[in-house]
This record gives sequence, C-alpha cells and structure tokens, in this order.
Amino acid sequence: GESVGLHLPTLSVQEGDNSIINCAYSNSASDYFIWYKQESGKGPQFIIDIRSNMDKRQGQRVTVLLNKTVKHLSLQIAATQPGDSAVYFCAWGRGYQKVTFGTGTKLQVIP
Amino acid sequence: DVKVTQSSRYLVKRTGEKVFLECVQDMDHENMFWYRQDPGLGLRLIYFSYDVKMKEKGDIPEGYSVSREKKERFSLILESASTNQTSMYLCASSLADRGQGQPQHFGDGTRLSIL
Repeated sequence: GESVGLHLPTLSVQEGDNSIINCAYSNSASDYFIWYKQESGKGPQFIIDIRSNMDKRQGQRVTVLLNKTVKHLSLQIAATQPGDSAVYFCAWGRGYQKVTFGTGTKLQVIP
Repeated sequence: DVKVTQSSRYLVKRTGEKVFLECVQDMDHENMFWYRQDPGLGLRLIYFSYDVKMKEKGDIPEGYSVSREKKERFSLILESASTNQTSMYLCASSLADRGQGQPQHFGDGTRLSIL
C-alpha cells in the first residue's frame, strides 16, 4: 500500500544501471526463498524463487543469489527501469506452507 | 494468471463492529492466507488454511477468526473491531506444497480503518 515504503531502507539507482538488493534471513533450516515486488497501492507480486540446493537462479532481467553460509539472499536487477521502482521483500520458509517476510527495501529509480 | 480478489479496497468501520473481509481466488489453490501489513513491521501472518474447513493460526491470530467453506473463498472476521486493527490486510493463495515449494499470490489488499 501507500504506506509500505515508509521507514524502509532506500536504494537509489540511476536508470539503466544494475541494482542489487540484499536480504539477511534468520532461519538456517529454511529451504525455500522468494523475492516479491510491491508497487504502491498493490499487493506483493512474485518475482523469483530459489531452493536451498541452488546458489543462483536467473529470470528475465533478475538474478537471485543465495549464500547459506552467511544466511544471505540478494536480488540483482539488470538495466534498472523506472517501472522497477517499488518495495522489494525477501521471504524464507520451510516447505512453503508458512513463510517469514523481511521488512523490505525501497528501490527508487532515478530517470 | 492467478487472480486473487479482495472484496473491498478501502473499508471504514467503528470500534466494536463485527467486520468481514472477503477473498476469492480463481486458480483452484489449496492454500489460502491472511496477513496484515504495517509500516516497520512487514507482513505478519494471521491465519492460513490448507483445505476447505481447515485453518491454522499464524503469528498474530488474536482478535481474528477465519472461515473457509469453499475452496476458492477465505474470509477474515474481526469479531469486535478495535482501533489497533487498523491496517492493510492482504490475502494470498498458493498451490499445496507437496515438497516442491510454491509461491504465494497476493490480492491488492484491503485498507481497513477502525474509528
């Protein structure tokens, strides 16, 4: 919603540059990790997921990296566009029935 | 595309009222979820359901109940609304896990204000 972006860390990126959004997760038993994008006034939208037996997965203009040793997840967006401006959440869980969401990072694309 | 529809985008109710939030999904998903989203707190799970007439408490179920009489519909009920339940409420659905892991698909939320 409109207030989702309040109180969140903000990443400002020039249009055309690559963006890297980071996430630290807390549960080392997690076996599934997801990135969501939430635009103002909308619900979270699934972007990409990765399982714990992988350390990298690529989608269209996005790459997710998983480092289980330090419990770190990152989302890389290539050639960032104005339409990428949103709040990005990571989420983690075991078996996907119940996930924990990070608090999010606001991505601001500068034209 | 999965469609999760929440019946109201904005709702204003009074303290003590019984409030119903409705959610419908059109993809035959087994699992459905209700979250609330508050600034600085992220998404918190209220209740979820993995089958018709089945429900499980999430992290913050107090003051809420749910109903799942049909597979496509999951209702959140505030038995006696209080001002601290003013929030954005998000419904989500997903396929059953079956060990594969399935993404949750969200509606656009209901912004509920309790006066």
